Amino acid sequence: ETVLTQSPGTLSLSPGERATLSCRASQSVSANCLAWYQLKPGHAPRLLIYGASLRATGVPDRFTGSGSGTDFILTISRLEPEDFAVYYCQQYGSSPMYTFGQGTKLEIK
Amino acid sequence: QVSLRESGPALVKPTQTLTLTCTFSGFSLTPSTHMCVSWIRQTPGKAPEWLARIDWDDDKYYNSSLKTRLTISKDTAKSQVVLTMTDMDPLDTATYYCVRTAPHDAGSRYYFYMDVWGRGTTVAVS
Repeated sequence: ETVLTQSPGTLSLSPGERATLSCRASQSVSANCLAWYQLKPGHAPRLLIYGASLRATGVPDRFTGSGSGTDFILTISRLEPEDFAVYYCQQYGSSPMYTFGQGTKLEIK
Repeated sequence: QVSLRESGPALVKPTQTLTLTCTFSGFSLTPSTHMCVSWIRQTPGKAPEWLARIDWDDDKYYNSSLKTRLTISKDTAKSQVVLTMTDMDPLDTATYYCVRTAPHDAGSRYYFYMDVWGRGTTVAVS
């Protein structure tokens, strides 16, 4: 099973700042099949990035995914108030056995 | 517009069987679409956990740690997917999500990623 480790656990930033979230896999993720999701209370979870760097439909271009192999990054270039949420990475290269990271909480400083 | 909605009991007793229904619209589970539907659950403060997936061709996949307790099925005509989980335990208390799972052409083959989620339904076991 591919274990995903996200860091940091909590990130405290202000609107307008840049956020960098990390996701490290215990083994290489097949075909860089790595996705990022945003979870907010009372909302359906939202796909942001798939294929490590492909932005999902309707996702603003301030969200950028990068990385390959075992190391992946989600960057939010200029934080908007609605971006404060919990973010999870997920690998689907071993699908149908999917695994998620433990999450990074992005909170307002 | 793609949407999914989960329905089922908010409370079940230990040892009972949980039945959850996902009703979806905006896509179909047919050979022409190669779409799938997955179930995910999440307990507060923990990582989401994949439970099961059913494909357009009725192939079914289960989380190996829960395989003996799960059954997934679909009713294409009704645009519904049903998940049953037997022998419920308080540790199964969670929010359960239904998720469209779509093909991603990664060059050498297709992989299936989760692109549209329902809002989830909270199930307590007590």
